[in-house]
Amino acid sequence: DGGITQSPKYLFRKEGQNVTLSCEQNLNHDAMYWYRQDPGQGLRLIYYSQIVNDFQKGDIAEGYSVSREKKESFPLTVTSAQKNPTAFYLCASSKREGNEQFFGPGTRLTVL
Amino acid sequence: GENVEQHPSTLSVQEGDSAVIKCTYSDSASNYFPWYKQELGKRPQLIIDIRSNVGEKKDQRIAVTLNKTAKHFSLHITETQPEDSAVYFCAASGPYSSASKIIFGSGTRLSIRP
Repeated sequence: DGGITQSPKYLFRKEGQNVTLSCEQNLNHDAMYWYRQDPGQGLRLIYYSQIVNDFQKGDIAEGYSVSREKKESFPLTVTSAQKNPTAFYLCASSKREGNEQFFGPGTRLTVL
Repeated sequence: GENVEQHPSTLSVQEGDSAVIKCTYSDSASNYFPWYKQELGKRPQLIIDIRSNVGEKKDQRIAVTLNKTAKHFSLHITETQPEDSAVYFCAASGPYSSASKIIFGSGTRLSIRP
């Protein structure tokens, strides 16, 4: 399924805890993205990275952090500062030269 | 800022009829317009895309048209089938030099009535 994986598939968090969502791709893509999707809603960009060791905030970056130490990996940390983190999180990647984004299967995060 | 508006938000058509979803974009530098289909609980998947140097593109029952002057683009699905039921997202993206992040529309939930 496109060589981009996310783990875990389901994640439960207690209030006040930080959690990290994994995203790995073996497509040799330079660019990677994190989106949040709420029920019945569209995709909102959290963070994106065009190259290793560089990333930019998207539209809803508050309460989230990322790192891009390796080309293949773009983990997302949902911090306790994110007030309403329950959502479906999608990671995507694309070639540097092109624009088509390939999505991972998603992680469904629930705050208990 | 950059914006993509998508209409309608929900669409119900009789099986076999055509469905049309429309989008408008605000950034005149946008040059890539993909359409994604997302089934319930699954990841979005690209179904068709078009670049700004082309006015129309077809792939079997699916077609996309682009009007750069009006900054409109549309998805057309003909001879709809039950498996076409899903949420469809349009998107617009600028040249790579503008960071190539894609701006998504809010989605259209398409239902095909048997």
